[in-house]
Amino acid sequence: SQTIHQWPATLVQPVGSPLSLECTVEGTSNPNLYWYRQAAGRGLQLLFYSVGIGQISSEVPQNLSASRPQDRQFILSSKKLLLSDSGFYLCAWSVRTATEAFFGQGTRLTVV
Amino acid sequence: GENVEQHPSTLSVQEGDSAVIKCTYSDSASNYFPWYKQELGKRPQLIIDIRSNVGEKKDQRIAVTLNKTAKHFSLHITETQPEDSAVYFCAASSQAGTALIFGKGTTLSVSS
Repeated sequence: SQTIHQWPATLVQPVGSPLSLECTVEGTSNPNLYWYRQAAGRGLQLLFYSVGIGQISSEVPQNLSASRPQDRQFILSSKKLLLSDSGFYLCAWSVRTATEAFFGQGTRLTVV
Repeated sequence: GENVEQHPSTLSVQEGDSAVIKCTYSDSASNYFPWYKQELGKRPQLIIDIRSNVGEKKDQRIAVTLNKTAKHFSLHITETQPEDSAVYFCAASSQAGTALIFGKGTTLSVSS
């Protein structure tokens, strides 16, 4: 069966520090991968999606970036965090577009 | 791109009552409409979905209806129970689209 791992579960970072969140999927090949951010009152905001290695599409201009160095690995990064980057970050995968997305456990990021 | 509006943002019902959450979408090419339930501190999980070639789908106490002409779809929960209390998200995605685009969520509270 397929599983998705996301870490860390919680993270407190100072303003201006770098960020690296990692997500891996097991039990499937060539999944679509997604990063969403959940902030209070704003629902699930799509940040990045990837349909293959090295293929990244950005939905929201910001100081975050994403990379997919391996088929089942998706990384969310920032060089310098802002207070507004605080939120609940969720990685997800799907077999293909327009199908069920399966979410990781999420990372609660607090920028102080 | 796709835009999904969800109403109401909060909904309070008595146990045993019905609850209805409504969503509208903007992209007429969208053909997949899932609903997710997110309990406090947990990841969103799919509860029901519908495709554009179907007008209604039911799973026990949960049903979803789709009106393609009006571009709106709704979640119906009958005989609500306290464990139905959670945040519910609707989403839309097209086969040629990018990823699931979510509404801002509805916080459902069921009081006993």
